[in-house]
Amino acid sequence: AQSVAQPEDQVNVAEGNPLTVKCTYSVSGNPYLFWYVQYPNRGLQFLLKYITGDNLVKGSYGFEAEFNKSQTSFHLKKPSALVSDSALYFCAVSGRGSTLGRLYFGRGTQLTVWP
Amino acid sequence: GAGVSQSPSNKVTEKGKDVELRCDPISGHTALYWYRQRLGQGLEFLIYFQGNSAPDKSGLPSDRFSAERTGESVSTLTIQRTQQEDSAVYLCASGEYVNTEAFFGQGTRLTVV
Repeated sequence: AQSVAQPEDQVNVAEGNPLTVKCTYSVSGNPYLFWYVQYPNRGLQFLLKYITGDNLVKGSYGFEAEFNKSQTSFHLKKPSALVSDSALYFCAVSGRGSTLGRLYFGRGTQLTVWP
Repeated sequence: GAGVSQSPSNKVTEKGKDVELRCDPISGHTALYWYRQRLGQGLEFLIYFQGNSAPDKSGLPSDRFSAERTGESVSTLTIQRTQQEDSAVYLCASGEYVNTEAFFGQGTRLTVV
């Protein structure tokens, strides 16, 4: 079965410091992986995706994510956090086989960047 | 172009009433998803449409929930005999095709009183 785990409910970081939001996945076959962000009172916005190719994927707002097949991880990173990055972040994996196309989401990680 | 549009944005209904939620996907998108997000919770998969294939309804929590999609256009999610535990934000998303990124609407906040 496909699943996504975000082990941290909350991540707190000072502005200007690097940030990492962790995600691990379980899927048979090659995964399609996604990160989404949800700002307060707004819908989910797509940040970036990994389909194939380079393990380091660059996305919107300066975010990037590193696909690590051996560790089945897809951690979201940013070299220098901004207060405006404070939001709820979701990792997702696309189902395969009988669940092809279904997006499985993690529980979300609340990122708080303080000034 | 226009994004995914959901209506109404807010709906308050009495317990036991039926409600219908509407989703207008991005034009040309063959994939359409419905998710539910309870307060402080993650996204709960409800149903997935892909082109003319039979929908994946495995996430619907009970037979009070149903959804339809007209071709590759509008989708409606219907909840019959609403219960208080149905209170949540219902999110619709569409994707160009399977395994591409999904674009989400703003959601419909349903409150059952």
